[in-house]
Amino acid sequence: EVQLVESGGGLVQPGRSLRLSCTSSGFTFGDYAMSWFRQAPGKGLEWVGFIRSKASGGTTEHAASVKGRFTISRDDSKTTVYLQMNSLKTEDTAVYYCTRLTEPSGYEGHFDYWGQGTLVTVSS
Amino acid sequence: YELTQPPSVSVSPGQTASITCSGDKLGEEYAWWYQQKPGQSPVLIIYHDNKRPSGIPERFSGSTSGNTATLTISGTQTMDEADYYCQAWDSINVLVGGGTKLTVL
Repeated sequence: EVQLVESGGGLVQPGRSLRLSCTSSGFTFGDYAMSWFRQAPGKGLEWVGFIRSKASGGTTEHAASVKGRFTISRDDSKTTVYLQMNSLKTEDTAVYYCTRLTEPSGYEGHFDYWGQGTLVTVSS
Repeated sequence: YELTQPPSVSVSPGQTASITCSGDKLGEEYAWWYQQKPGQSPVLIIYHDNKRPSGIPERFSGSTSGNTATLTISGTQTMDEADYYCQAWDSINVLVGGGTKLTVL
């Protein structure tokens, strides 16, 4: 059974940093690209970015709204993908979801499994 | 390039619900659809315009015409009340529609 479990959320002050983790099981993690989405309270889904499989270069793409502040990385030995969030703003407050992307290169894949999400609250 | 969905759609139980998603490149690019019930994570229900993942009921179907993708729910059930999001790719970026709240009453 595929499982994605996010952790690392919590309350953080504006301008500070936070790192989210997503630990996976039930599939060959290294064969897949992985992605992050977020959802602000009462709002819709927003794509944050994705990281390709190592075989596809292991490179990343990030949404314009977070580019330069957020960085996605992966550790295949730990079957874990990370979201490093720097210079956090109040508008980054959201539930952050980890998802599996069916295409190793990312493009034209779909997000077939989602974690339960972890809440990040940015407030002073 | 954006994906535009109606904020809300209402349907009576047993009737057919249609949720549209408009975007300039949808005629050239595939559309995906996700269902999200309150307090739950999204679930993929349609990929590549009209394909259903295993386990998704046959009453869910997808289609495209011109620059509009449509999610159709035939014989809508009360359990289908949820938010529905369309998604597409724009080069290396992922686009998500604003979501449509489906009310079954």
